[in-house]
Amino acid sequence: DAGVTQTPRHEVAEKGQTIILKCEPVSGHNDLFWYRQTKIQGLELLSYFRSKSLMEDGGAFKDRFKAEMLNSSFSTLKIQPTEPKDSAVYLCASSGDKISAETLYFGSGTRLTVL
Amino acid sequence: QQKVQQSPESLIVPEGGMASLNCTSSDRNVDYFWWYRQHSGKSPKMLMSIFSNGEKEEGRFTVHLNKASLHTSLHIRDSQPSDSALYLCAARRANNRIFFGDGTQLVVKP
Repeated sequence: DAGVTQTPRHEVAEKGQTIILKCEPVSGHNDLFWYRQTKIQGLELLSYFRSKSLMEDGGAFKDRFKAEMLNSSFSTLKIQPTEPKDSAVYLCASSGDKISAETLYFGSGTRLTVL
Repeated sequence: QQKVQQSPESLIVPEGGMASLNCTSSDRNVDYFWWYRQHSGKSPKMLMSIFSNGEKEEGRFTVHLNKASLHTSLHIRDSQPSDSALYLCAARRANNRIFFGDGTQLVVKP
């Protein structure tokens, strides 16, 4: 059974570049979340979609981070322009399982390094 | 402002011992808690969830919730080296945003 798929697994960018991270949620899930994880800040919520509608646009992350969900099976997170402080693991998660509706299923993450 | 606070930051217990982890939300709009476990280099996986006052047990894991104080705790009995991981507490606000604490790093020493 297909879980949450994230690509690429690793990304290296120069400061100022634009990068796009991709996520395919579990089929049939209605909710999709983007988080960023660092040792210092922990897991920070970047964006949240419910049935493709943007419910949370990330507050402090709004200016350079933009998440989109063009259809129910695909989401992107664009960071433009990248800065070294954006180096982190970016995790996508989906929920909406019939048995446990609110449980988040995480992808393997994208490790971003900004030089 | 951190909405979910976890303690301790790190914990070392001997194999076979009891590990107790704590989590409190400073947001009165929270209505649901989870505990996730994240092994090194892996993604978080849900361990247990709780939304009613009281206690819930699954195998070696017991979770408590006090809704009045918005405090939950996770207890692991007969801890095993394979339990060594980062334990993350998550809380859901009424608008369905899910926030995580910074985690407790558990090390179980053989």
